[in-house]
Amino acid sequence: QQQVKQSPQSLIVQKGGIPIINCAYENTAFDYFPWYQQFPGKGPALLIAIRPDVSEKKEGRFTISFNKSAKQFSLHIMDSQPGDSATYFCAATTSGTYKYIFGTGTRLKVLA
Amino acid sequence: NAGVTQTPKFRILKIGQSMTLQCTQDMNHNYMYWYRQDPGMGLKLIYYSVGAGITDKGEVPNGYNVSRSTTEDFPLRLELAAPSQTSVYFCASRTYRGGENSPLHFGNGTRLTVT
Repeated sequence: QQQVKQSPQSLIVQKGGIPIINCAYENTAFDYFPWYQQFPGKGPALLIAIRPDVSEKKEGRFTISFNKSAKQFSLHIMDSQPGDSATYFCAATTSGTYKYIFGTGTRLKVLA
Repeated sequence: NAGVTQTPKFRILKIGQSMTLQCTQDMNHNYMYWYRQDPGMGLKLIYYSVGAGITDKGEVPNGYNVSRSTTEDFPLRLELAAPSQTSVYFCASRTYRGGENSPLHFGNGTRLTVT
């Protein structure tokens, strides 16, 4: 019940395409859902985050869609660029627990 | 600001050896974490700390120990290294201000191979 399931494991898109990465969870106590971006040889860094009281959040070319009833959320990257090639992790946490549960990661490659 | 600094960057251990992975942060963050990253497995929490003198187990604590004597430092100790501990280890920290909205700040990792 503590798992966050992420798919796909890898994704290749052409420049300008819209890659979509999906995550699903079971624990309804989760109330904060961040996405982290990791470049090779570096640690992950926060990209964007959402709480379940909103259905969508946009920051630049990155959008999170959230479906509370289905317990699913997804990351969309508009007008993707080769510089977006990285590994993306979804995560979930419950307020006051301090712990973040991460998905298994999606390796994205954007072709020039 | 250096952020979160991890040393060493790479290490090869023989089975049964011990070592300490160092982690220090200069952001005065209360919360610190150790994760391991394995291909296709994501990030698994090993141990975390909510302040100096306070530590707790995460998802995969077996074979590891931690201590938190200062706010800045959170070393991870491997006793009797095993091949299953071959992984990339990440230390992270975050402030308590802003609650969950405060992001995790990760170091650049330590790549450990146990042979």
